[in-house]
Amino acid sequence: SYVLTQPPSVSVTPGETARITCGGNRIGSKGVHWYQHKTGQAPVMVIYDDNDRPSGIPERFSGSNSGNTATLTISGVEAGDEADYYCQVWDSISDHWVFGGGTKLTVL
Amino acid sequence: QVHLVESGGGVVQPGRSLRLSCAASGYTFNSYSMNWLRLAPGKGLEWVTLISHDGIKMFYADSVKGRFTISRDNSKNTLYLHINSLRLEDTAVYYCARYRAGGSFDYWGRGTLVTVSS
Repeated sequence: SYVLTQPPSVSVTPGETARITCGGNRIGSKGVHWYQHKTGQAPVMVIYDDNDRPSGIPERFSGSNSGNTATLTISGVEAGDEADYYCQVWDSISDHWVFGGGTKLTVL
Repeated sequence: QVHLVESGGGVVQPGRSLRLSCAASGYTFNSYSMNWLRLAPGKGLEWVTLISHDGIKMFYADSVKGRFTISRDNSKNTLYLHINSLRLEDTAVYYCARYRAGGSFDYWGRGTLVTVSS
């Protein structure tokens, strides 16, 4: 089955740029989606189709996808961005929806 | 706005069954496929199952195939998950989520906790 690999944790100070990677075999050929999850809350989609933002998501959130790596970039990080972030794709071979292991973003 | 509310979770013994529900509002329920996903303690999000908008097609993760059954009642705007033969590893928060064409999940509920314990 298709595997997505994320770093377990990323730490930044407020105002800096956070970059969270998601590795997968030829992931650049797939549509990648990103979710933010804070404990006890509903997960929120922050990026879909590689680099599109749902309404209500700040422009500080952006995405890219090429080759074997997709990246979620959060510019001007704020304390409220502290959360777990997951990447996700649809695997056409298995007809399964696959998530990365998640990255905990810590705002120092 | 779109609102999804899960219910039916609780503490259940291994081998028993459980039915989860997800009440949807704020959109045309029968126009969208729906999903169940879960988050186990110390693990990441896992997609569990999807049902098409008309209830005809279903897909399941290998880890639950044969034990979980997804269904929907479009007249009641409600999604269900029937879980049989519960295992310790089924302990998780279960979320329902609306499926967006293109492969993503655009709205989620806050989840319902299922704890499998003897």
